[in-house]
Amino acid sequence: SQQGEEDPQALSIQEGENATMNCSYKTSINNLQWYRQNSGRGLVHLILIRSNEREKHSGRLRVTLDTSKKSSSLLITASRAADTASYFCATDAGSGGYQKVTFGIGTKLQVIP
Amino acid sequence: NAGVTQTPKFRVLKTGQSMTLLCAQDMNHEYMYWYRQDPGMGLRLIHYSVGEGTTAKGEVPDGYNVSRLKKQNFLLGLESAAPSQTSVYFCASSQPPRLAGGNNEQFFGPGTRLTVL
Repeated sequence: SQQGEEDPQALSIQEGENATMNCSYKTSINNLQWYRQNSGRGLVHLILIRSNEREKHSGRLRVTLDTSKKSSSLLITASRAADTASYFCATDAGSGGYQKVTFGIGTKLQVIP
Repeated sequence: NAGVTQTPKFRVLKTGQSMTLLCAQDMNHEYMYWYRQDPGMGLRLIHYSVGEGTTAKGEVPDGYNVSRLKKQNFLLGLESAAPSQTSVYFCASSQPPRLAGGNNEQFFGPGTRLTVL
């Protein structure tokens, strides 16, 4: 079963607006990552937040993590048409060498010029 | 660096046919993965490898086999293709967190779109 579940499944906004996507998960994690997938392409890593971090920024991206609620949010500020893509959260859990990574089903973002 | 490459990009098979998907990475990564992506299902892990010569089952391994004879290559085989295996297949690679400062970012290939008739 999927560990991460994104919400909403689809989002349509005007260029310049902010886009917020949420991810909920079920079990304790080590890290949570966000990936972007442009249509017909592979996933590209955006940002990683560790379980002991609460907020992280990278350019126009802001990620928050609330381990008590088992949820994370990805905020894209001042969106651009080029941000149109699907966004996935991925959680990893376990200890030792291999840590199982589980991807959610994604949020499809459309930014209208 | 080419990163992660996948061959072929597209393929159409008939039920019962076999094929091998090739994944290659030039980043000297220890870990490699095969996923399938279906609408509404997200990415599901088929098999993975934590090093040359080792493979392990993921979430949906039935109907697939893999081999990792060389560190840079990870092959996914379908012995007898079924329509249920129509999907987009992604290969990815990563370093173990202990070698990457705790970061287990995965690097993805461009995908192989497979249709089984």
